[in-house]
Amino acid sequence: EAGVAQSPRYKIIEKRQSVAFWCNPISGHATLYWYQQILGQGPKLLIQFQNNGVVDDSQLPKDRFSAERLKGVDSTLKIQPAKLEDSAVYLCASSLNIGGQPQHFGDGTRLSIL
Amino acid sequence: AQSVTQPDIHITVSEGASLELRCNYSYGATPYLFWYVQSPGQGLQLLLKYFSGDTLVQGIKGFEAEFKRSQSSFNLRKPSVHWSDAAEYFCAVASGTASKLTFGTGTRLQVTL
Repeated sequence: EAGVAQSPRYKIIEKRQSVAFWCNPISGHATLYWYQQILGQGPKLLIQFQNNGVVDDSQLPKDRFSAERLKGVDSTLKIQPAKLEDSAVYLCASSLNIGGQPQHFGDGTRLSIL
Repeated sequence: AQSVTQPDIHITVSEGASLELRCNYSYGATPYLFWYVQSPGQGLQLLLKYFSGDTLVQGIKGFEAEFKRSQSSFNLRKPSVHWSDAAEYFCAVASGTASKLTFGTGTRLQVTL
């Protein structure tokens, strides 16, 4: 089966600019996650969707980050405006459903803020 | 709140030697536990998971892990390491219902020939 697809792989922007990331989960997976992985740390959950509804966005900096999952399939994560501390790898993952199902990860988007 | 501690930031082993990576978790109820591996520039790949039942779990690539409730530990082991095992290893815990994963800070494994 095809894995989780993410684009772009790399992005370099200046602070205060905006950026968007795209994720296509594994077909049939109802749950989608966005993680932020800062260099030297483990991934941190930003937002979790169940179909097209938000389950958990408690760690999403809502003043600058937004995410949507229209039609319960693809998802986009946006940062506007970007800050230097947003430099990280943004990982998308999907699972069949909620309830401890294993999460399958994409290769991530590496974001560098100048 | 759930949390995971991986006390070893960096471990170096010789090829063919045995490996044990430590993981301690904090969670009130019975946790769902996972080990993931991440190679440079790639996403995380699931090695194995523990939900319930047998406390010794077998995974891919010859890895296994043992759940010890009394020690709140879920250590990863491999009897003979291969050079291709060099990577970053993450332990993670999830609650049963919400499935939110909390990751440790990772252990970087270096394999010498």
